[in-house]
Amino acid sequence: NAGVTQTPKFRILKIGQSMTLQCTQDMNHNYMYWYRQDPGMGLKLIYYSVGAGITDKGEVPNGYNVSRSTTEDFPLRLELAAPSQTSVYFCASRYEDREGYEQYFGPGTRLTVT
Amino acid sequence: ELKVEQNPLFLSMQEGKNYTIYCNYSTTSDRLYWYRQDPGKSLESLFVLLSNGAVKQEGRLMASLDTKARLSTLHITAAVHDLSATYFCAVAIMEYGNKLVFGAGTILRVKS
Repeated sequence: NAGVTQTPKFRILKIGQSMTLQCTQDMNHNYMYWYRQDPGMGLKLIYYSVGAGITDKGEVPNGYNVSRSTTEDFPLRLELAAPSQTSVYFCASRYEDREGYEQYFGPGTRLTVT
Repeated sequence: ELKVEQNPLFLSMQEGKNYTIYCNYSTTSDRLYWYRQDPGKSLESLFVLLSNGAVKQEGRLMASLDTKARLSTLHITAAVHDLSATYFCAVAIMEYGNKLVFGAGTILRVKS
């Protein structure tokens, strides 16, 4: 298994540009999440999905959109990029059984908006 | 709103010494996670603690959970340089698809 993969690894955007951050998992996990990590901080939840076709907002959704057309893919769309969106973005997916659950994180996308 | 507080936020220690990182959280949860993050890297899962009194150990790291006190500790025994990283605790809550709420992280530097 490749686990959770993200592309691109790095990106520089100009203010007002748009882009899509890609996230794919091959573990057949239903739950997927997008977090952002600002310098020196923990992660904050942007959007999440409990399964294909179902998405919902997290704590900091403004300026972002998501879709979940398949179990494997959970892209994050930035419209009209702003400097406040400079951050590292992590995608995660979740496995659950009776023992509890684990979130598995992708390698991250480092985004700079100038 | 759930708050997760870690202390210290920065820890510089000598090799061979012991130390403890503390994680306090403000509301009931029965799942607590510890992650390690190396600079520029993703988060690596260290421990998942599921019940009161849970204790898990891996190498020089030992994590415990006291749900009544809403406190988890990450104890480092005889630190080595390779343990230098940022350590996060995270608490699971029912909202937002059982999201994780993260502490700010503890930057650990082990000096040889």
